[in-house]
Amino acid sequence: KNEVEQSPQNLTAQEGEFITINCSYSVGISALHWLQQHPGGGIVSLFMLSSGKKKHGRLIATINIQEKHSSLHITASHPRDSAVYICAVQGDKLIFGTGTRLQVFP
Amino acid sequence: DTGVSQNPRHKITKRGQNVTFRCDPISEHNRLYWYRQTLGQGPEFLTYFQNEAQLEKSRLLSDRFSAERPKGSFSTLEIQRTEQGDSAMYLCASSPPNTGELFFGEGSRLTVL
Repeated sequence: KNEVEQSPQNLTAQEGEFITINCSYSVGISALHWLQQHPGGGIVSLFMLSSGKKKHGRLIATINIQEKHSSLHITASHPRDSAVYICAVQGDKLIFGTGTRLQVFP
Repeated sequence: DTGVSQNPRHKITKRGQNVTFRCDPISEHNRLYWYRQTLGQGPEFLTYFQNEAQLEKSRLLSDRFSAERPKGSFSTLEIQRTEQGDSAMYLCASSPPNTGELFFGEGSRLTVL
């Protein structure tokens, strides 16, 4: 079993839909990162959080330390949100999930 | 500040050749990480520097791989006697002191023929 599990692996949505991507982990962590990777490889850090909730524009990230679970929400999704979203947990080292491929259609 | 810069962006080489990738982190970032990513997978940790000291090295890094950060600024990742299984995207990230926030480069894609 992977130490970081993301679901779903693939997600398609219509423009405007509310999207949730989940991340569960099994190790002790000091922080959790949500990353966005566009085709071609570039990775952008969206959030780093260790408790509670953070919001940036249409993106919201939450974490429940007791349940070892985090969610990334996208409100009013747009085709430009199409990317791979990766959860990574910071313990002794940074461990990445395999990512969730999101496609938003107009 | 131009962000984390990686060169070359794409390298095609024949099996058995040596390749070197360079990463220039954001200035003042003391931590530098190398990751490898194969198609459809999340990045895998390779190695980590704090200033010029290499503090951790993954078991994934065979003795054909070596990384340096001689002056605590840019870093190089060298792969000797490349194999087809080395084909991947090699990602570099840097992090400032006192925070864990990560800033990634665009990656260097290696294709070994």
